[in-house]
Amino acid sequence: DTGVSQDPRHKITKRGQNVTFRCDPISEHNRLYWYRQTLGQGPEFLTYFQNEAQLEKSRLLSDRFSAERPKGSFSTLEIQRTEQGDSAMYLCASSPATGGGAFFGQGTRLTVV
Amino acid sequence: GQNIDQPTEMTATEGAIVQINCTYQTSGFNGLFWYQQHAGEAPTFLSYNVLDGLEEKGRFSSFLSRSKGYSYLLLKELQMKDSASYLCAVRGNDMRFGAGTRLTVKP
Repeated sequence: DTGVSQDPRHKITKRGQNVTFRCDPISEHNRLYWYRQTLGQGPEFLTYFQNEAQLEKSRLLSDRFSAERPKGSFSTLEIQRTEQGDSAMYLCASSPATGGGAFFGQGTRLTVV
Repeated sequence: GQNIDQPTEMTATEGAIVQINCTYQTSGFNGLFWYQQHAGEAPTFLSYNVLDGLEEKGRFSSFLSRSKGYSYLLLKELQMKDSASYLCAVRGNDMRFGAGTRLTVKP
């Protein structure tokens, strides 16, 4: 396990379609974070998990967004009925439960046309 | 909630030293982190402070004052490849990021 991996790296979808992204964290990391980033901005927090428990979800996250981490390992982020404003880089990061920094995957770039 | 503020842009000369400041307000504190992000790439971890003081790692140093809600990242002997965005992040119950400081290193 060399790091956090995300799949796919790029996704182009039509407005109104559903998309799902996958993140595989560093295996010994308990925490997993999802962020969204647009050009010129810092990563915007979406949600995070400790093991399989989703501990916090941003109020910015509409009901169209849902994330799961069913076995406390990989996680999925689903966006339903995509809108053009959802176009962004979706970043996943993982960290130990206590101490230490979060390490990022390469991200999934979503383009909604 | 959390507020994290850092300058939007900075410019410095190759070989010089630059200090990037970050101020924060947070309801809980479990560490302050600095990341480097080149355009089109994911952030990469640079440094981590949980106690007050200076942490040095090669050309990069980071300082933290918890009582002041203040940190800085110091980059020495600047190189052209240091041109990037530098993100300040605070770990409370979750981990939140500032908007980033875009550093341009000129010859």
